[in-house]
Amino acid sequence: AQSVTQLDSQVPVFEEAPVELRCNYSSSVSVYLFWYVQYPNQGLQLLLKYLSGSTLVKGINGFEAEFNKSQTSFHLRKPSVHISDTAEYFCAVSRRRALTFGSGTRLQVQP
Amino acid sequence: EAQVTQNPRYLITVTGKKLTVTCSQNMNHEYMSWYRQDPGLGLRQIYYSMNVEVTDKGDVPEGYKVSRKEKRNFPLILESPSPNQTSLYFCASSPLRVRSYNSPLHFGNGTRLTVT
Repeated sequence: AQSVTQLDSQVPVFEEAPVELRCNYSSSVSVYLFWYVQYPNQGLQLLLKYLSGSTLVKGINGFEAEFNKSQTSFHLRKPSVHISDTAEYFCAVSRRRALTFGSGTRLQVQP
Repeated sequence: EAQVTQNPRYLITVTGKKLTVTCSQNMNHEYMSWYRQDPGLGLRQIYYSMNVEVTDKGDVPEGYKVSRKEKRNFPLILESPSPNQTSLYFCASSPLRVRSYNSPLHFGNGTRLTVT
């Protein structure tokens, strides 16, 4: 079975500061990794995905994530956040038919 | 516009009164799924469907039913709702790839259900 741990439930940060949202997964086999974003009163949207190849993945809105197989991590980063990045972010792991989500990290960007 | 449409957005009901939440997608996706979102628990899968007339249980199927009579529709049925089913529900769809599940999901905007 696979599981996903998002280490921080909330991350407050000031506008234009860098941010890292942490995600660790456990799985004994190869998996696919995703980050989704949920803006208030909306469904989830795909930010980025890692399927294979380069371990540094670039997504929408200036976000990127790095797949680290030895540490089983897939942390999400942005060098300079905006107020509009305030949202909840979910890490997800998939293998075959199962897609498992983490519990989410609420990013609060303050002016 | 490509989208997943859920109805209603908000629903308040009483214990035991049967209800259906509808979900429709216009992208000709084979795969559809229902999730519930609860604080601190992320999204948990209730049921999924790989194609018409093919459905299977997810992680938390108890108290729910689904059907997939048409490719575009995947309704979620609560035959006898209980307060512990108060939650935010999301329908999602994706194309089905042969090799493995690596297609990103397209989500609806959610249905907030309150059972009193």
